[in-house]
Amino acid sequence: SQQGEEDPQALSIQEGENATMNCSYKTSINNLQWYRQNSGRGLVHLILIRSNEREKHSGRLRVTLDTSKKSSSLLITASRAADTASYFCATGDAGGTSYGKLTFGQGTILTVHP
Amino acid sequence: ETGVTQSPTHLIKTRGQQVTLRCSSQSGHNTVSWYQQALGQGPQFIFQYYREEENGRGNFPPRFSGLQFPNYSSELNVNALELDDSALYLCASRFREGSGANVLTFGAGSRLTVL
Repeated sequence: SQQGEEDPQALSIQEGENATMNCSYKTSINNLQWYRQNSGRGLVHLILIRSNEREKHSGRLRVTLDTSKKSSSLLITASRAADTASYFCATGDAGGTSYGKLTFGQGTILTVHP
Repeated sequence: ETGVTQSPTHLIKTRGQQVTLRCSSQSGHNTVSWYQQALGQGPQFIFQYYREEENGRGNFPPRFSGLQFPNYSSELNVNALELDDSALYLCASRFREGSGANVLTFGAGSRLTVL
């Protein structure tokens, strides 16, 4: 079963606009990560935010985490056509020892039109 | 870009058959995990291996099994294939010792179609 839900399920924007996608989760976590997937291929790690952090930046990416609401958001600024992909949030369990286990959301399909 | 390679990239099987999917991890990545991703869904954790032992499993039946080898390669075996096993199977690896952050490096996946 999935950890939570991502919102929206699909997002269509023009190049240069910002894209915001949200993720909710259900259990206590050590960290939350965002991954990107192009056309049903492998996932690529984008950014990780730890449970004691509230905001993190990496290039054009900004991630926020609200552990009281069990939610996170990913903002991509000044989007490009090459950002077109599916974006997934993933959580690792607090106190867990299954280091290879992540629980993924259902993803947001982002389409950036040139 | 990725240090994880998977084979085959695509395959077609019929119900009841068995399949073996292969993964070669990055050198030094001693934890490997496998995920199943159905069309339009997020990946679901199948199991993970550390130092050739299974040490974590998701909600998958025993007909899903695996092996990890000393050379950082691994296998996912699925017996008695069912139509619902049609999916993209992803292998992911990480170096366990260190910060403990579970950032995974994924392969490009093996797409299995069961007819």
